[in-house]
Amino acid sequence: AQKITQTQPGMFVQEKEAVTLDCTYDTSDQSYGLFWYKQPSSGEMIFLIYQGSYDEQNATEGRYSLNFQKARKSANLVISASQLGDSAMYFCAMRADSYSGAGSYQLTFGKGTKLSVIP
Amino acid sequence: ETGVTQTPRHLVMGMTNKKSLKCEQHLGHNAMYWYKQSAKKPLELMFVYSLEERVENNSVPSRFSPECPNSSHLFLHLHTLQPEDSALYLCASSQGTRGPYEQYFGPGTRLTVT
Repeated sequence: AQKITQTQPGMFVQEKEAVTLDCTYDTSDQSYGLFWYKQPSSGEMIFLIYQGSYDEQNATEGRYSLNFQKARKSANLVISASQLGDSAMYFCAMRADSYSGAGSYQLTFGKGTKLSVIP
Repeated sequence: ETGVTQTPRHLVMGMTNKKSLKCEQHLGHNAMYWYKQSAKKPLELMFVYSLEERVENNSVPSRFSPECPNSSHLFLHLHTLQPEDSALYLCASSQGTRGPYEQYFGPGTRLTVT
């Protein structure tokens, strides 16, 4: 079974500052993927960044980077130079990346962190 | 239309009503998903439909009934719902289920059961 823990229900950050959103995970799978999604108030889940368990380098996508520490089972999201439009819910998710029967590749989500960017 | 669309965006229904949620994907994908997002709870996978498999979360009550007439459309039929079923229902699609394919989400249907 997979489990995602996001310990920060809410976070505030000043505009233009960097912010780190925490995510820890638990899995018995050797091959897995970690995702971060953004959910604005409109409801849509927007994919931000992906990290494979065998990727040696931390993933980066524009202002988003994933601080992957495999031994500690953490996959924190770092947003640099925060913008007002970054205010949203952020969800960490994981997925097994090897087939072991029906439903193998389903996403398991954390409870999310609400980020508020202050002008 | 592009991506994944869902209708209606908002729905208010009584406990004795019957309604359906619709999801359509315009990405040429072969797998579609229904998720339930309740307040202060992680997203819960309800159903998966694909050419390779159909997966159902055993904890989903029978008052939720999925229908997938083709690879582009997915419905969620609702009947005799309870107030605790009020939530955001998200649809997603991916290229398939037997591989690490990215899931693309729709905007969701906000359901309120009165």
